This record gives sequence, structure tokens and C-alpha cells, in this order.
Amino acid sequence: DTAVSQTPKYLVTQMGNDKSIKCEQNLGHDTMYWYKQDSKKFLKIMFSYNNKELIINETVPNRFSPKSPDKAHLNLHINSLELGDSAVYFCASSQQGGQSYTFGSGTRLTVV
Amino acid sequence: QKEVEQDPGPLSVPEGAIVSLNCTYSNSAFQYFMWYRQYSRKGPELLMYTYSSGNKEDGRFTAQVDKSSKYISLFIRDSQPSDSATYLCAMNRVVDDKIIFGKGTRLHILP
Repeated sequence: DTAVSQTPKYLVTQMGNDKSIKCEQNLGHDTMYWYKQDSKKFLKIMFSYNNKELIINETVPNRFSPKSPDKAHLNLHINSLELGDSAVYFCASSQQGGQSYTFGSGTRLTVV
Repeated sequence: QKEVEQDPGPLSVPEGAIVSLNCTYSNSAFQYFMWYRQYSRKGPELLMYTYSSGNKEDGRFTAQVDKSSKYISLFIRDSQPSDSATYLCAMNRVVDDKIIFGKGTRLHILP
């Protein structure tokens, strides 16, 4: 039973398209995150939500919009995809204030 | 200066050797220090975390924090080929609940 699951695992799309990545956690955690890992493996936080409320919004283009319908789900919608958006996107969850993040297995996005 | 610095490697060592992985950081407000392990095409998984300075041991793994030098280490004893992965240090300030990751060190244990 997967703790943090992301779909899809792979996404190949053309520049200019709009796409969504979904994330669900069954751990009962309060906080969920989106991280971006670039080709050099650098893992950078994009957003975090606590109980459906946006807590962290790093300097991310407006084309990226997170949505949390409930505390178990955090989706990421990306408009007008660009080549530089190609990366692996990881969803994670934790108890509020916790240092133990549980990560999903990632969504490998390739923009062509 | 980046908040967290970590040598990306790769680091190759023979099986059975002691491995030392390190990170330096610049922000003295960091209080929690973590090590995550990431296998290829998988998400990072938490190995250990420590609060403030000192050592913590868990099986073959020892985490060490020196806040005065802003330096943290992870030691792996009796290294195994299955330890081959990328190891990411991470740290956070309690106040904003945001974890900052190092770039990760790729480790290869040679059989």
C-alpha cells in the first residue's frame, strides 16, 4: 500500500501544453509539498500546504498552480509548459513540524 | 554562498570500507539535520535525523553535527554494494518548517 503516490510516473509533452500531476498520501499527515529535482539532482521546494492552506510558495512562475482539495491530496497544474520545466517532480508529506518527509517516487516530466 | 553545500561526487569506495559524507551550511538558524538516501529513479527516503550538535548512531550509520563549524557528516561502516545511492543532507529551521536539501553525493560501493 503506497504511502505517497504520484501520477503519472512519466509525462512527455510538447511546449505550450498544459498538464497536471496528482499526488495522494494515506499517512494522515497534515503537510504536503512539491519539490523539483533538476538534471543535476538538486532538490528544490516549490510549494507546501498544511491542511489545504498554502504555507510555502517559493519563487516559482505563475504557470505553476498547486491545488489541495483536501489534506490527503495535493495536485500540481502547469500551464504553457517550457523546455526548462523538464525535471522530476516529487510530492512529499510530513506531520506538521516534522523532519521526516515521505516522498513519492516522482513524476519525470519531459517537455519537447 | 549557497545555504547548504555538498560535494556531488561521485565517490567510489571498495566494499567494506568506511564512507564519510559531508555537508557545510551557512545559516546558523538551522536546528534539525537530516540525511536522506535516494536510489536511482526513486524518491528520497529519510535515513537519520539529529537535533543540534552531537552524534547519533543507527546500525552501520552514524550522523554527526558540529554546529560551531557548521559541518555535518554521515559515516557508513562496513559499506555494502546496496549502499550505492545518492545521499542528500538536509536541514531546517523550525520556524518555517521548510527543509533545505544539499545537492547530494553519488556513492558507489565496488564489490
